[in-house]
Order: sequence, then structure tokens, then C-alpha cells
Amino acid sequence: DAKTTQPTSMDCAEGRAANLPCNHSTISGNEYVYWYRQIHSQGPQYIIHGLKNNETNEMASLIITEDRKSSTLILPHATLRDTAVYYCIVRVAPHLSNDYKLSFGAGTTVTVRA
Amino acid sequence: NAGVTQTPKFQVLKTGQSMTLQCAQDMNHEYMSWYRQDPGMGLRLIHYSVGAGITDQGEVPNGYNVSRSTTEDFPLRLLSAAPSQTSVYFCASSYSNRQGATDTQYFGPGTRLTVL
Repeated sequence: DAKTTQPTSMDCAEGRAANLPCNHSTISGNEYVYWYRQIHSQGPQYIIHGLKNNETNEMASLIITEDRKSSTLILPHATLRDTAVYYCIVRVAPHLSNDYKLSFGAGTTVTVRA
Repeated sequence: NAGVTQTPKFQVLKTGQSMTLQCAQDMNHEYMSWYRQDPGMGLRLIHYSVGAGITDQGEVPNGYNVSRSTTEDFPLRLLSAAPSQTSVYFCASSYSNRQGATDTQYFGPGTRLTVL
């Protein structure tokens, strides 16, 4: 799986958009970008994933650059409950690889401040 | 749906004791897995299963056994607990190999284990 690089931490003001970057310059053509988050003392939670097109769901938007070497997770209106560690994971989709392992790096610790 | 449930929430063991961490899911997911998370670290895969009767090792399997006799349950056994196994243990599940289905993994709330 391709390696990802994320900032160690970032702060965000409540009510503002939080933009979380992720670099994955060695991503291959069949690898997807996944985002999970882990709120303190809880299990990780799936947020969103995409291959090349931008994606949006009720939690967030995912913007992937045209060359797919980087992406940005956008939390449109951050709340205090969004304070968590956010993990960017790049891997081949399991239905193509039969590999279901998620490789969690250090992630980005996001602190939303009132 | 209850989702993924884990018991117990907390456990303290003495070195050398054995115990089983329970994990159950009611979503009819084929894939289940166990991770451990040490303080300030990311999650590391211990064992996983792609269906009843099938298990395999992850990246840190030593000291742990698993079995998968039903689709719903995936218990993790510590054979002889060691202080190095003090950690938070998470169970996860998802659909497997189903074209077009999201492979979202659902995680349980975790079991916090301390080995003295």
C-alpha cells in the first residue's frame, strides 16, 4: 500500500471549515484514499473514501488532486465533537485485492476550539 | 442493529493468566479483525478472519489465538498474559469481496486491558 504523510496536528475554530491535507505521492492506479477518525477512547469511525473523483457525504467532502498524489478532507462546519485523530489510508479496495487490513499511521490530531 | 459489541470494557489480569476478549457483530459481515492500540500509537492488526472457519495472522499475532466458529463471533484469546499485552483492543467487521459494496469497517468500543 502507498505511504501517506499527514501533519501531526492542527487547530480549527468551531463553525469554520477544517481542511486536512494528506500526501500520497506513490499512490498506484487501483488504490483508493480512505479517511477514518478516532475520537478519544473510542473505536475508529469511517468517514469517506474515493478513487479519483471528489466525494461528499453527510460527514465530509474529499477532494483528490488530478494527479492523485494528494487529497484534502474537508469538514465543512467543524464542531467540538469533531476533535479527534484523523487517519488518511491508501490501499487497494478489498473487493479487488482480498486484503482487508487497514494500516493506520500516526494521523493528524485535530483540535476544534470554541 | 447493535453493530460491533465487545466485552468486557475493562479488564485487569496478572502475568500468566489467560482470558478471552469477546467480539460480536449483528450485520452479517464476513470479515472480522482484531487490532491493538498502545498509548499514543496507531492500531496494529493482530488476527483477522474472512469468514466462518477461516482465520489468519496479522502483523502482531504472537501471544494471541482466535477462532471463528460462527459469522457473528470472533473471540480473541490471550494464552498467558504478559505486561507487554497491556493495550486497548478493538474488534472490527465489514462485508468482504462483494463487488460494489462499501468496504467500510465498523469498529467496536474497545476493551482496555491491563496486565500487572
